[in-house]
Amino acid sequence: DTGVSQNPRHKITKRGQNVTFRCDPISEHNRLYWYRQTLGQGPEFLTYFQNEAQLEKSRLLSDRFSAERPKGSFSTLEIQRTEQGDSAMYLCASSPRVSSYNEQFFGPGTRLTVL
Amino acid sequence: QQPVQSPQAVILREGEDAVINCSSSKALYSVHWYRQKHGEAPVFLMILLKGGEQKGHDKISASFNEKKQQSSLYLTASQLSYSGTYFCGTELAGADGLTFGKGTHLIIQP
Repeated sequence: DTGVSQNPRHKITKRGQNVTFRCDPISEHNRLYWYRQTLGQGPEFLTYFQNEAQLEKSRLLSDRFSAERPKGSFSTLEIQRTEQGDSAMYLCASSPRVSSYNEQFFGPGTRLTVL
Repeated sequence: QQPVQSPQAVILREGEDAVINCSSSKALYSVHWYRQKHGEAPVFLMILLKGGEQKGHDKISASFNEKKQQSSLYLTASQLSYSGTYFCGTELAGADGLTFGKGTHLIIQP
């Protein structure tokens, strides 16, 4: 257990529905990352926050995806009008970003299945 | 661009050594190594910054050749608990998100 928690752990939804995931980072970690991982692949970067500011977005993050980190604590990732191709494990990671190091510690993930 | 990992899979007997390689076509700021077991989240192993340093803990170590943009993970006297998929994640200067390779599956047999 790295101390990063994600909820829910599993989500099954029908195509076209909206879903929202939550990530609670390790306390006092100022950086928070979202990744997506499909079977047999490594995690793919989606976006990241430093405190409450969203500083980087991948082109994988279509306009159906939105992420927030109000008050620089927990973060939410929302997917609107879900598609079957959105089925994946959504991973959150946090980092203290001390000096030049950017160790990222992953949470257990939310597995999304879109029917 | 995604880093290339080799080999794709390795099967070892307990106590044998393994080397996993990660190479990139881009100039890297750092390389991160993770191990992931089936159904679990990736677990951070170590990070190497540009400069050719070598790091390690216990019987797992890694090196980073900045000139070649290559990193290698060394597992010595492997234990059953080392089984899993190993990913390298590369970080570019000015970009904090990691780009991961496709992973190397490591199976340790008794």
